[in-house]
Amino acid sequence: KQEVTQIPAALSVPEGENLVLNCSFTDSAIYNLQWFRQDPGKGLTSLLLIQSSQREQTSGRLNASLDKSSGRSTLYIAASQPGDSATYLCAVRMDSSYKLIFGSGTRLLVRP
Amino acid sequence: NAGVTQTPKFQVLKTGQSMTLQCAQDMNHNSMYWYRQDPGMGLRLIYYSASEGTTDKGEVPNGYNVSRLNKREFSLRLESAAPSQTSVYFCASNEIAGYGYTFGSGTRLTVV
Repeated sequence: KQEVTQIPAALSVPEGENLVLNCSFTDSAIYNLQWFRQDPGKGLTSLLLIQSSQREQTSGRLNASLDKSSGRSTLYIAASQPGDSATYLCAVRMDSSYKLIFGSGTRLLVRP
Repeated sequence: NAGVTQTPKFQVLKTGQSMTLQCAQDMNHNSMYWYRQDPGMGLRLIYYSASEGTTDKGEVPNGYNVSRLNKREFSLRLESAAPSQTSVYFCASNEIAGYGYTFGSGTRLTVV
């Protein structure tokens, strides 16, 4: 059974710092991995999608990497801003299924 | 704006009452999903519909029923609400080919 873990559960950093959020999964037979952002009381916004054949995806200050063999993905946020404060969720889709399996998220606070 | 629309946004039910959560997408996606989000547990799949005319159980289907009314609409019904069903419910959609998922803004349900 696939399990997705995100560490740390919460992170507080000063504005301007570069930071890395971690996501690990136990079964490497994934179809793709997606990073989401969730603001308090809101829905999920898709940030980046990495197909299983890809190593990384970039969008602005965000860079996500994928290492299937080790069961890891990282989300790198450059020059963090207070507006980046949110919960970041990773989710994997398995080869054999349409559904997403989510981690429990990392709650990020960027202090001015 | 194109996307996934959920109604209602908030609902309070008494134990034993029934209700239907509505979801509609206008992106011509084939697959639709219902997730629930509980504190510290990430999102868990309740039911999904891989294509119009089909529905399947997810991780936590007990106490729920679904209807894929047409390609656009996928509803979730609670026949006899219980306090354990207090949660935030999200509807999502995507293409069968497995590209990114789009989520609605959620329905916050409280059962008292």
